[in-house]
Amino acid sequence: ETGVTQTPRHLVMGMTNKKSLKCEQHLGHNAMYWYKQSAKKPLELMFVYNFKEQTENNSVPSRFSPECPNSSHLFLHLHTLQPEDSALYLCASSQDDSGRARYNEQFFGPGTRLTVL
Amino acid sequence: KQEVTQIPAALSVPEGENLVLNCSFTDSAIYNLQWFRQDPGKGLTSLLLIQSSQREQTSGRLNASLDKSSGRSTLYIAASQPGDSATYLCAVRLRETSGSRLTFGEGTQLTVNP
Repeated sequence: ETGVTQTPRHLVMGMTNKKSLKCEQHLGHNAMYWYKQSAKKPLELMFVYNFKEQTENNSVPSRFSPECPNSSHLFLHLHTLQPEDSALYLCASSQDDSGRARYNEQFFGPGTRLTVL
Repeated sequence: KQEVTQIPAALSVPEGENLVLNCSFTDSAIYNLQWFRQDPGKGLTSLLLIQSSQREQTSGRLNASLDKSSGRSTLYIAASQPGDSATYLCAVRLRETSGSRLTFGEGTQLTVNP
C-alpha cells in the first residue's frame, strides 16, 4: 500500500451532478498531481501543484476544477461532465516539482474509477 | 513533443519463461526513465528508475536497461510467475520540463499462465 490515498475508489455520476475527488498524501511531499487514464491511452497529466500553487494546467476543460488547500490534500471538483470523461483518475505526489528536484520519484494513489452516465 | 511507445501491447507467456518488454522514446534528452507496474483497477507502483547517466538497474528478477542515444529501454523479467501478471508502464522525464513531469507509454499488458 502506498502513502497516497484517494476517495472515493469508484464514482458514478450523471452529467448534471457535482462531485469531488479527494487525494491525501502522508509522505511529507510538497508536489501533487492529477492524471487521467482512459482506456487504450497513455496517462495524461492534468494539473500540477507545487507548495500549494498550481504550476500546470494541461489544457484541461473548466468542468474540472482542482483545489489544493495544503500540501497534503488535493481535490478535483467535477461538474457538468461528459460521458467521455469516464476514466481512472490518479493522484500522485513527489518531494517537490522545482528545477532542483529533477530526479524526484512520484508515488501514486490507487485511483478513482469515474463513470459518467 | 516527446512520444513514448511500448511494444508489445499485450503479451502472454507460460510460467517460468524469461521475457523482455520494450519501450522507445522520440526525444533522447531525458533525465531519467522509470518503469511502473499497474494491477487492474489499482494505482501505479514504481519498479525501477534509471538515471540518464546509467545503463541499467536491477531489482530482484527485474533488470531495466537504457540506451539513451537510440531512445530505447527494455525491462527484462526472469523466471516469470503468475503474480507478475499486470500492465507495465514506461515513463520518461524530460530535460526541458521542470521537476517531476512524466510522459507515459500506453503500457504492455502481461499475462503469465500457470
